[in-house]
This record gives sequence, structure tokens and C-alpha cells, in this order.
Amino acid sequence: DAKTTQPPSMDCAEGRAANLPCNHSTISGNEYVYWYRQIHSQGPQYIIHGLKNNETNEMASLIITEDRKSSTLILPHATLRDTAVYYCIVRAKNNQGGKLIFGQGTELSVKP
Amino acid sequence: SQTIHQWPATLVQPVGSPLSLECTVEGTSNPNLYWYRQAAGRGLQLLFYSVGIGQISSEVPQNLSASRPQDRQFILSSKKLLLSDSGFYLCAWLTGNGNTIYFGEGSWLTVV
Repeated sequence: DAKTTQPPSMDCAEGRAANLPCNHSTISGNEYVYWYRQIHSQGPQYIIHGLKNNETNEMASLIITEDRKSSTLILPHATLRDTAVYYCIVRAKNNQGGKLIFGQGTELSVKP
Repeated sequence: SQTIHQWPATLVQPVGSPLSLECTVEGTSNPNLYWYRQAAGRGLQLLFYSVGIGQISSEVPQNLSASRPQDRQFILSSKKLLLSDSGFYLCAWLTGNGNTIYFGEGSWLTVV
């Protein structure tokens, strides 16, 4: 699975949009971009995933560049409870082996 | 609804003692199940995965073993714990369409 690069930390004001970038320049054609987040001492929580089109769900939006070499996770109205480490992962959809390579992620701090 | 649970949530065990962590999934059949470990830092290491009853694949040689006695039950074990086995252990399952991996609540193991 391809490697991803994320900034180690970011701050965001409560109520504002949080935009978390991720570079995945070596992504291959069958690999999806997944986002998870992990609050301390809890299991990673699935947020969203996409292949090449932008995606939106009740938690976030995912914007993938046309060349698919980078993406941005958007939390439209960040709350204090969104403070967590956010992981960007690329993975082949039918990879039954379950290998998820979690990098260091981005530690997002939402401040009042 | 589909859920995943693991227990115990916290465990303190002496060196040389046995270990048993259990994971169960509800609301699905024949899931792919996984055990991960998250040691110091943030990376997740895949330990074992199972595509069916009695079928276990090991990703890294170690002091641990896994078993799948029932379709929706996955057990992580050790006969004699080492200090290096301390960490945060996560059970996970893969949705039937191969789309997404969901994680359990996690189990903190401290070997003393």
C-alpha cells in the first residue's frame, strides 16, 4: 500500500472548518483514500473514503485532487470533540489481508 | 446493527502469565477479522487476520497466537507474556463488500 504524508499537528478554532491535508503521490489506480481518527485510548474511528470523486457524509467531506496525489479532509464546523489524531491511509478496496498502514497522522486540536 | 466488541478493556499481567483477549462481532456473518497492536507512538501493526473459522494468518513472528473457534469470535492469546507484549490491542472487522475496516474499543495490556 502507498505511503501517505501528513502534517504532524494543526489547530482549529471551534466552529470553523478544519482542513486536513494528505499527500499520497505513489497511490496506484486501485487504491482508495481512507480517513480514520483516533481519540486517546480508543480504537480508530472510520470517517470517510473515496477513489477519485469528492465524497461527503454526515461527518466530513473528502476532496481528492484530479491526479489523486493528494487529498483534503474537511470537517465543516469543528467542535471540541473533534480533537483527535487523524490518519490518512491508502488501501486497495478488496485487500482482504487487512493491512492498514497507519502513519503518524495529524494531531488536530480544536480550541474554544 | 453491526457491532464489534472486545474485552477486557484493561489488563495488568505479570511476566510469564497467560493472556486471552476476546473479540466478537454482531450483525454479520463470515466476517474477516483482525488483531492489531499499537505500541508506543501511533502506528498500528497487523498481528493476525482470519477469513473464516479455524483460518489464521500471522503477519509477524511473536509471542502471541490467535484462534477463531466460532464464525464471529476471534481470540488473541499468549502462553507466557513478555514485557514487550505491553500495548494497546485492537480487534477489527472488514465489511462484507471489502470496503471498510471497523475497529473495536481496544484493550490496554500492561505486562509488569
